[in-house]
Amino acid sequence: DAGVIQSPRHEVTEMGQEVTLRCKPISGHNSLFWYRQTMMRGLELLIYFNNNVPIDDSGMPEDRFSAKMPNASFSTLKIQPSEPRDSAVYFCASSLGNSLNNYGYTFGSGTRLTVV
Amino acid sequence: DQQVKQNSPSLSVQEGRISILNCDYTNSMFDYFLWYKKYPAEGPTFLISISSIKDKNEDGRFTVFLNKSAKHLSLHIVPSQPGDSAVYFCAAKSQNTGKLIFGQGTTLQVKP
Repeated sequence: DAGVIQSPRHEVTEMGQEVTLRCKPISGHNSLFWYRQTMMRGLELLIYFNNNVPIDDSGMPEDRFSAKMPNASFSTLKIQPSEPRDSAVYFCASSLGNSLNNYGYTFGSGTRLTVV
Repeated sequence: DQQVKQNSPSLSVQEGRISILNCDYTNSMFDYFLWYKKYPAEGPTFLISISSIKDKNEDGRFTVFLNKSAKHLSLHIVPSQPGDSAVYFCAAKSQNTGKLIFGQGTTLQVKP
């Protein structure tokens, strides 16, 4: 398995533009998580899905952020309109089942977003 | 409210010595704790974990200690190697929600 695949790896956009981040989880995993990494807060959970259904989006910072999982092999995180404070590294992770196995989540390599 | 805290942003140790990374948490409903390691331009990767019913778990050079009364856990790396230089994240799972909550991370530098 190629692991969790995220695209793009880097994104530079102007303030006010729409940004879409993409994630392909590991085949067979039924839970998917979007995290944001910042210096101040480390890895923050934004939203997670179980069996393609959003379970908890309490970490989504504001209405400008939205996430979808139309099928078991694809998810998007959209920011519209983007702002400079959204600049961060966004990680997608997947796991099997609601409970952790001994190995926790498998993370993708992240998307580094820069909003200028 | 930061439920998982890593109060040391960075740590520098000499090769061959012990590295001790610390983590504090506030939520007594956490039932599982994990450490992840992250290299630049890569995603975090699982390192070691411990259940809340245990106080120690060892895997090679890595040992995690859990002190539930103090709501504190630590990761010991001995002996430290230059390849251990990375950002280490502490994470905790809530038995209520199943979510992993991460700390801010500690950057470890092991000097040759």
